[in-house]
Amino acid sequence: KQEVTQIPAALSVPEGENLVLNCSFTDSAIYNLQWFRQDPGKGLTSLLLIQSSQREQTSGRLNASLDKSSGRSTLYIAASQPGDSATYLCAVRPHTGFQKLVFGTGTRLLVSP
Amino acid sequence: GAVVSQHPSRVICKSGTSVKIECRSLDFQATTMFWYRQFPKQSLMLMATSNEGSKATYEQGVEKDKFLINHASLTLSTLTVTSAHPEDSSFYICSARVEGAADTQYFGPGTRLTVL
Repeated sequence: KQEVTQIPAALSVPEGENLVLNCSFTDSAIYNLQWFRQDPGKGLTSLLLIQSSQREQTSGRLNASLDKSSGRSTLYIAASQPGDSATYLCAVRPHTGFQKLVFGTGTRLLVSP
Repeated sequence: GAVVSQHPSRVICKSGTSVKIECRSLDFQATTMFWYRQFPKQSLMLMATSNEGSKATYEQGVEKDKFLINHASLTLSTLTVTSAHPEDSSFYICSARVEGAADTQYFGPGTRLTVL
């Protein structure tokens, strides 16, 4: 059974810092991995999707890497801003299963001005 | 981008009543929709996969008679929580798969259910 864990569970940083969020998964046989953002009481916004054959994806100040063999992904946020405050979730799509996503436990990020 | 809506956004009901939650894809057709449940400070757990015109596929441990799913059209799926109890209080989120874009799911804003 695929399990996805995120570390740290919570993170508080001052504005401007670069930070790294970690995601690990137990079964390396994945189809892809996604990073999402969730604001309090809201749905999810997809940030980055990495296919199993890819090593990283970039969008603006965000960079996500994937090391499938070791079961790890990181989300790098450059020059953090208060507007980045949210919960960040990673999710893997198992190699089998039609579009099922297995979500991690999430990292709650607070960026203070 | 594609938009998914949910209605209602928040509902409070008495124990024993049934509650229906709607999930709509506003500007695209979705043959497949997914229903998730999220408890406070926990991650999303897939409850069921909803397929247009056929029976939903439920995850292990999810009672199909408790959580009725209907996907009668390509833009609407409904989740009915029957005989709700306080332990059913949770945040319910749906997502819809964009036809022809196998890797893309768009998520609704969620429905907060509180059962008194």
